[in-house]
Amino acid sequence: GAVVSQHPSRVICKSGTSVKIECRSLDFQATTMFWYRQFPKQSLMLMATSNEGSKATYEQGVEKDKFLINHASLTLSTLTVTSAHPEDSSFYICSAQPQGIETAGWDEQFFGPGTRLTVL
Amino acid sequence: TQLLEQSPQFLSIQEGENLTVYCNSSSVFSSLQWYRQEPGEGPVLLVTVVTGGEVKKLKRLTFQFGDARKDSSLHITAAQPGDTGLYLCAGSNAGGTSYGKLTFGQGTILTVHP
Repeated sequence: GAVVSQHPSRVICKSGTSVKIECRSLDFQATTMFWYRQFPKQSLMLMATSNEGSKATYEQGVEKDKFLINHASLTLSTLTVTSAHPEDSSFYICSAQPQGIETAGWDEQFFGPGTRLTVL
Repeated sequence: TQLLEQSPQFLSIQEGENLTVYCNSSSVFSSLQWYRQEPGEGPVLLVTVVTGGEVKKLKRLTFQFGDARKDSSLHITAAQPGDTGLYLCAGSNAGGTSYGKLTFGQGTILTVHP
């Protein structure tokens, strides 16, 4: 149980195009999902907190107009990188916090497998 | 802003050796989690510690949460090449606007040579 998927796993796009990444909780509902960015051999950096039915909360320094987040249902959140540039190339990871199921800890999160974005 | 200082950043050891990774903060956390991540994959939760002074064991891995809930350690006994990966500690706090948010340490890249 507690599986989170991401699609696509890899994407290569041209500079100036927009890319959408999906994060799905497959066997549980998630009121809250988180989006992270990770550079090679570095830790995860929280970009934003996505809440179902409301606007996302962005971390300081993250451009909300560039990284559009939509949490349309309790099992799906999307991150759209608009007008992507080479510096947006990174590994994007989402996590989902279960709602209404028993977990080991009240604040447990389950991570997706990540999406490798390469902008040419 | 809560920070988690994780050390060492890199660790290269021979199979069979023991090692310890540390996470330290000046802030108190409600819980602390340890993850292991392999290249091109998402982090996988190893353990969550929630009580000050708590010790949890997972086969050859021993996790400890400091009495004051400001620090934690991960000890691996008789490391194996399969333990190679990026180890991450992450702390969280209850309540307020930070509910559910994880603060990650910088990560420790462990390489175990056969």
